[in-house]
Amino acid sequence: GQNIDQPTEMTATEGAIVQINCTYQTSGFNGLFWYQQHAGEAPTFLSYNVLDGLEEKGRFSSFLSRSKGYSYLLLKELQMKDSASYLCAVALFSGGYNKLIFGAGTRLAVHP
Amino acid sequence: GAGVSQSPRYKVAKRGQDVALRCDPISGHVSLFWYQQALGQGPEFLTYFQNEAQLDKSGLPSDRFFAERPEGSVSTLKIQRTQQEDSAVYLCASSLGPGPTDYGYTFGSGTRLTVV
Repeated sequence: GQNIDQPTEMTATEGAIVQINCTYQTSGFNGLFWYQQHAGEAPTFLSYNVLDGLEEKGRFSSFLSRSKGYSYLLLKELQMKDSASYLCAVALFSGGYNKLIFGAGTRLAVHP
Repeated sequence: GAGVSQSPRYKVAKRGQDVALRCDPISGHVSLFWYQQALGQGPEFLTYFQNEAQLDKSGLPSDRFFAERPEGSVSTLKIQRTQQEDSAVYLCASSLGPGPTDYGYTFGSGTRLTVV
């Protein structure tokens, strides 16, 4: 089976840094995605890692270690609008296409 | 269109009623996915279309769920004889090719189905 684990909830202070971890055990791996989802809205793409290492994109960075089945999303200079759910998803390639398998999501609350 | 459009945005159905949920993917996108998202959970894969061909329906929870994409663009997810456990947000996503590009899939805002 496929298993993707991430913390259920996190809280942080405006202006601070927060790291959201994701561990996965999947049959196959073709990249790891992070999505942001505000309540009642569509998931929106944040980052994509297919090789080991750190990808930086503005205030957001994502890290991947394929040997450890581990990724994290780092959010810097937190803003109130960053309060949302963050979804970790693994792409599995099978049957000629890629399918995203999601974790349960981490609800982040940013407070003043 | 500029994004993935889903309708209706909200649907309340009486238990036992049939419902149809519509997805308009981004024009030209080959791949189309349906996901089910229960409250407080991540999206769960339901089914995948490549153009008009339904290549994977392994995630459909029962034979009450049926999806089609007859002309390779608009897709409809139909749920027959709805049950309370069908209450969830149904998300549609599309992608230009047969897999997520570096930008992943583009999701619609979903249809929130409530079965009463």
